Amino acid sequence: GDSVTQMEGPVTLSEEACLTINCTYTATGYPSLFWYVQYPGEGLQLLLKATKADDKGSNKGFEATYRKETTSFHLEKGSVQVSDSAVYFCALTDAGNNRKLIWGLGTSLAVNP
Amino acid sequence: NAGVTQTPKFQVLKTGQSMTLQCAQDMNHEYMSWYRQDPGMGLRLIHYSVGAGITDQGEVPNGYNVSRSTTEDFPLRLLSAAPSQTSVYFCASSSQGQGGYTFGSGTRLTVV
Repeated sequence: GDSVTQMEGPVTLSEEACLTINCTYTATGYPSLFWYVQYPGEGLQLLLKATKADDKGSNKGFEATYRKETTSFHLEKGSVQVSDSAVYFCALTDAGNNRKLIWGLGTSLAVNP
Repeated sequence: NAGVTQTPKFQVLKTGQSMTLQCAQDMNHEYMSWYRQDPGMGLRLIHYSVGAGITDQGEVPNGYNVSRSTTEDFPLRLLSAAPSQTSVYFCASSSQGQGGYTFGSGTRLTVV
């Protein structure tokens, strides 16, 4: 079945460092891809999404490009801040039901001042 | 805008007790779902609903019931709490699927 694999955390960076969180997927059909962020003690929030190959989603300085040839959707940011410390989840729409999401296990990011 | 409201935020139950976790949304979203989040296991879908009067099971439905009598409300009932149900529970809603979910802030449940 469809699945999402994220790089394991925790990831620890210094402020202003570059961030890449890897996400690869296996899927039938043409899913939409998402990154969600969960700040400590809160629910998840949609960070960005891409609905077709070569689309780039972006928000709050984060970017991810839907790469069908490598089945990847890596999350990147050029300069992280302490406030970016959170858990990041990659997800894709279920082939059988596009209202449902298939989730990665999440990657914890800690940014130190 | 309230978005998705979950109550309570924290709850401690004894084994065998029952309770209802409340979820309400004010965005007229037709799709609602319940997840549990456990360390190292990510998010797992318990039940979901595509509209009032329609519910279906997710990955881990055992021990939980849901109903959807209105568009706004989607309560999750624990029938007889077990320590394995200790978790953080999230409710989420969406207007047209495609992954644009709005999440509640969660209910942290401990079963002793």
